[in-house]
Amino acid sequence: GAVVSQHPSRVICKSGTSVKIECRSLDFQATTMFWYRQFPKQSLMLMATSNEGSKATYEQGVEKDKFLINHASLTLSTLTVTSAHPEDSSFYICSARVGRMDEKLFFGSGTQLSVL
Amino acid sequence: SQQGEEDPQALSIQEGENATMNCSYKTSINNLQWYRQNSGRGLVHLILIRSNEREKHSGRLRVTLDTSKKSSSLLITASRAADTASYFCATARSGSARQLTFGSGTQLTVLP
Repeated sequence: GAVVSQHPSRVICKSGTSVKIECRSLDFQATTMFWYRQFPKQSLMLMATSNEGSKATYEQGVEKDKFLINHASLTLSTLTVTSAHPEDSSFYICSARVGRMDEKLFFGSGTQLSVL
Repeated sequence: SQQGEEDPQALSIQEGENATMNCSYKTSINNLQWYRQNSGRGLVHLILIRSNEREKHSGRLRVTLDTSKKSSSLLITASRAADTASYFCATARSGSARQLTFGSGTQLTVLP
């Protein structure tokens, strides 16, 4: 199956700093990637849809200035948590479809963010 | 918005037994998918069933879909300790941008 690589897997940072998470499609081109947030023992909440070459589409309630998404190439999308605070601590996961008409998602391995 | 609700929230069984998880949803769907997540990891796609299908098999997995009741079930037969994970249903709504909405998940523990 297709491989989506996500880095880092774990990051600990101080409050007020910014953290960048990378999501790469290794063996396919992903025009669209999705970013999710997951709290312990809960489901995935879609944060935004990242579109290559254009602005991301954010879900209601997600601050676009707080969670900056850049999808500059067909194989890389980044999520930057700006001025992180302890309440931003969470598990962040990216995913992508292989083709525009493909219906299943391939997921990265996730990033556990802990803000002190 | 969260659409899928799964039950049970947690299920603990002995190795070799069958595990059944249920998912209910609210809106019309194009397809329903099941994913598995090991602790602290990303999700892995297991199986997809379309809205015009009623049952689908893949190895030890059997999925049913009842669109009149807006519900689906995932059956894992002859469970193994390695099946221990969280299982999520996800729905793709009709006419949407094919975004998936995930259910609340079932934590399955298979005891050796």
